[in-house]
Amino acid sequence: EVQLVESGGGLVKPGGSLRLSCAASGFTFNYAWMNWVRQAPGKGLEWVGRIRSNTDGGTTDYAAPVKGRFTISRDDSKNTLYVQMNSLKTEDTAVYYCTTDSRSAAAGLSPPLYGMNVWGQGTTVTVSS
Amino acid sequence: DIQMTQSPSTLSASVGDRVTITCRASQSVSSWLAWYQQKPGKAPKLLIYKASSLESGVPSRFSGSGSGTEFTLTISSLQPDDFATYYCQQYDTYSQAFGQGTKVEIK
Repeated sequence: EVQLVESGGGLVKPGGSLRLSCAASGFTFNYAWMNWVRQAPGKGLEWVGRIRSNTDGGTTDYAAPVKGRFTISRDDSKNTLYVQMNSLKTEDTAVYYCTTDSRSAAAGLSPPLYGMNVWGQGTTVTVSS
Repeated sequence: DIQMTQSPSTLSASVGDRVTITCRASQSVSSWLAWYQQKPGKAPKLLIYKASSLESGVPSRFSGSGSGTEFTLTISSLQPDDFATYYCQQYDTYSQAFGQGTKVEIK
């Protein structure tokens, strides 16, 4: 079964740090381009950033609100995606989802062609004093 | 960065209605446009990719069209399970933006 499971969410004070993890299974993780997407309470979806597969350079792209504060990384030996979140602000409060296009990964296609067909259940980050 | 604008923000409709949601991009995204459905407390679900390709397992009453900067999601006959929020997303560029969402409510 194709699955993504996020962990690491919690309550943190403004200015603090947190690292989220996303454990992947059931698909060829090492070929997958992985994304983080967040959703603030009562708001819409916001793309946070992504990391390419290591075969495509392992480089990252970030949304403007998190650039310079968040760092996305991956450990293909553990089939795990991470996001290190520093200098957290109250506006970073959200449910954080990891997502991917598993079919492009299975076919070894890059960039991904088929939209984000796999989503985790989300982990909640609350930034508050 | 490319901005995505959906309309309307809220839509009230009845079971059996034909429903159309529009998504506009601030610059061309070719056909690299996806549509997602989200229900409260759940992760989004992919409905349409490459503007008009139906995701496996998604009912055929859902369809997508458009290219460049203007796209539509159509539900041909609204069913009770379809009351949800719908998002478009462009995946053409380094920055992958979502629209602000369209909530489909029961009339």
